[in-house]
Amino acid sequence: DAGITQSPRYKITETGRQVTLMCHQTWSHSYMFWYRQDLGHGLRLIYYSAAADITDKGEVPDGYVVSRSKTENFPLTLESATRSQTSVYFCASELNGELFFGEGSRLTVL
Amino acid sequence: DQQVKQNSPSLSVQEGRISILNCDYTNSMFDYFLWYKKYPAEGPTFLISISSIKDKNEDGRFTVFLNKSAKHLSLHIVPSQPGDSAVYFCAASTTTDSWGKLQFGAGTQVVVTP
Repeated sequence: DAGITQSPRYKITETGRQVTLMCHQTWSHSYMFWYRQDLGHGLRLIYYSAAADITDKGEVPDGYVVSRSKTENFPLTLESATRSQTSVYFCASELNGELFFGEGSRLTVL
Repeated sequence: DQQVKQNSPSLSVQEGRISILNCDYTNSMFDYFLWYKKYPAEGPTFLISISSIKDKNEDGRFTVFLNKSAKHLSLHIVPSQPGDSAVYFCAASTTTDSWGKLQFGAGTQVVVTP
C-alpha cells in the first residue's frame, strides 16, 4: 500500500544499546520528519530532511542521528539508548503543508 | 517552553452535541494552524487547517476559528459522532519556515458518549 511505513512497530531494548527505527515512503515527497510523542508534550520534532543528503535538527535532536541517502528512506538511530528515549516515534512526509504520518514505532528502553 | 497549549486534556460530550476544543499559542510569528486527529495505535491524520489571513474555516462538521488578537483557536465539531472519539492535536507553524516543522499542543482526548 502507498504511504509511510515504519518498522519495527514495537521494540524493547536496554540502556546503552543502539537502535534504528526505519521509515519508508512510497511517494516521492521531498520533506520527511521524525517526531516523538510523549504524554503532556504532544509531538515534538526530532529531525527533518528537505531532500536526500539534507538533514537538520528539530526541537529535541540530542541522542539521535538520521541519514537520508535515498529520498524514500529516512532512518532514525539512537546511538546509545537511554530510558528518557522511551516514547512513540512517528515518521512523516509533507506535501503542500500537510503532514502524512506513519503508524508509529513504540520504543521501550529498560 | 511549549508555544502551543491545549489546556484541556480531556473532553466528554454526548452524541449529537457540539464538541469545542481550545488551543492557545504564544508565538506571534505563527501564521498557519492545523488540527490533527489520532486514533490509538495509528498515526495522526490531518483534519483541518486555517491560515492567519482568515478567522474561520469550515469543512463539513468541522469548523476552526482563529482569534489572532487573543492568540487562540478553537475546533468545533457539530454534531459529534462516536467515531469522533480520538485525541485531537492543535499545531502551528510559520510559513516562512520549512513546511512540516510544526509545534504541537499536548492533545485533547475526546470521548463521545451515546
